[in-house]
Amino acid sequence: DAKTTQPPSMDCAEGRAANLPCNHSTISGNEYVYWYRQIHSQGPQYIIHGLKNNETNEMASLIITEDRKSSTLILPHATLRDTAVYYCIVQGGATNKLIFGTGTLLAVQP
Amino acid sequence: NAGVMQNPRHLVRRRGQEARLRCSPVKGHSHVYWYRQLPEEGLKFMVYLQKENIIDESGMPKERFSAEFPKEGPSILRIQQVVRGDSAAYFCASSPTGYPSNQPQHFGDGTRLSIL
Repeated sequence: DAKTTQPPSMDCAEGRAANLPCNHSTISGNEYVYWYRQIHSQGPQYIIHGLKNNETNEMASLIITEDRKSSTLILPHATLRDTAVYYCIVQGGATNKLIFGTGTLLAVQP
Repeated sequence: NAGVMQNPRHLVRRRGQEARLRCSPVKGHSHVYWYRQLPEEGLKFMVYLQKENIIDESGMPKERFSAEFPKEGPSILRIQQVVRGDSAAYFCASSPTGYPSNQPQHFGDGTRLSIL
């Protein structure tokens, strides 16, 4: 079973920041938080990951709470092409397999 | 740099036939993962391979499914005697290293398998 909980859907206005929450209250000390997205019928696309510090790259920012029990993915200026299912995944363990939950369907509105 | 390449993109088979799905990882990546996505569902892990070795096959159905990643050439996911329930999108991912590395997996665009 997935170790994360995400809202099933969210809307965001084009040009505004999209903030996608994720709860992972059972995360272990050596487990990372990863974010992927899947645009319709394409393969999942890696976005960002982190352990305990906040992270930023050219696509997004990842904010992880101090107790590491939740995180937020921030897309600073959402565009229509950001419409996708976003998956928050806790990864760790001996085989690095990703356990996908149901994700959040982000709909960016014009 | 070429990403993960999967072929064919679409594959149609009749019940009872064999399906072979190929995955060429990112150049330099020696770890390959296969996932299956049934219609309207999320991705499910199937198998994790490192060159010539199966590391974790906990998500593979016990019968008809096999996977390999030879020293030379692509990784192959083989489904024998396909049934309608095998219709799905099959995704391959690769990473340069495995546990305990935190390197992300990079995915291909999948093979859509349809069983008639």
